[in-house]
Amino acid sequence: DGGITQSPKYLFRKEGQNVTLSCEQNLNHDAMYWYRQDPGQGLRLIYYSQIVNDFQKGDIAEGYSVSREKKESFPLTVTSAQKNPTAFYLCASSNTYSNQPQHFGDGTRLSIL
Amino acid sequence: GENVEQHPSTLSVQEGDSAVIKCTYSDSASNYFPWYKQELGKRPQLIIDIRSNVGEKKDQRIAVTLNKTAKHFSLHITETQPEDSAVYFCAAFKGGSGTYKYIFGTGTRLKVLA
Repeated sequence: DGGITQSPKYLFRKEGQNVTLSCEQNLNHDAMYWYRQDPGQGLRLIYYSQIVNDFQKGDIAEGYSVSREKKESFPLTVTSAQKNPTAFYLCASSNTYSNQPQHFGDGTRLSIL
Repeated sequence: GENVEQHPSTLSVQEGDSAVIKCTYSDSASNYFPWYKQELGKRPQLIIDIRSNVGEKKDQRIAVTLNKTAKHFSLHITETQPEDSAVYFCAAFKGGSGTYKYIFGTGTRLKVLA
């Protein structure tokens, strides 16, 4: 969807380094989400946020951190504590006032150098 | 905990045949069920969805059915074409509960053989 922009498209991390993945949306959605997808696998929820300045851990939050200082932005930091960060990361957003689908960004592919 | 089971994990059909993918959810309060198609290396894209007050919805060659009693919903693709080849994900959502979280199935890799 043109309304959600993830950057960069490809990212390489050196050992011991923290890296931050950007996610911006102009859909005026309250809720935003981060998923991790490993090759041939489904979507696993890392973190989600239903409102500015609030977020909750998903199923695999260890080694990741997020912030939600603005409604439009939900950056994900992959810390050095995440020992196996190689994956495809998808950001999504949705409305919360009615049953609506999530809209996904194009994803960021993270690899270890 | 909440979960969505999706079957089969892989499905091969001949071009022109029908394909059916099935999902079962655990939380009876779930009230919205989207289906996504994901091509290799790309974003999941919504192809059809259904709300709990509806039993069936159709959009051209794609249909979804919902059985709330059995907590079961299915995706039906008729007259399959090679461009239907992709991974399909179902999801269950419980709106109005204060927690806006989608529970995804593990995906079905559909191959349409020409």
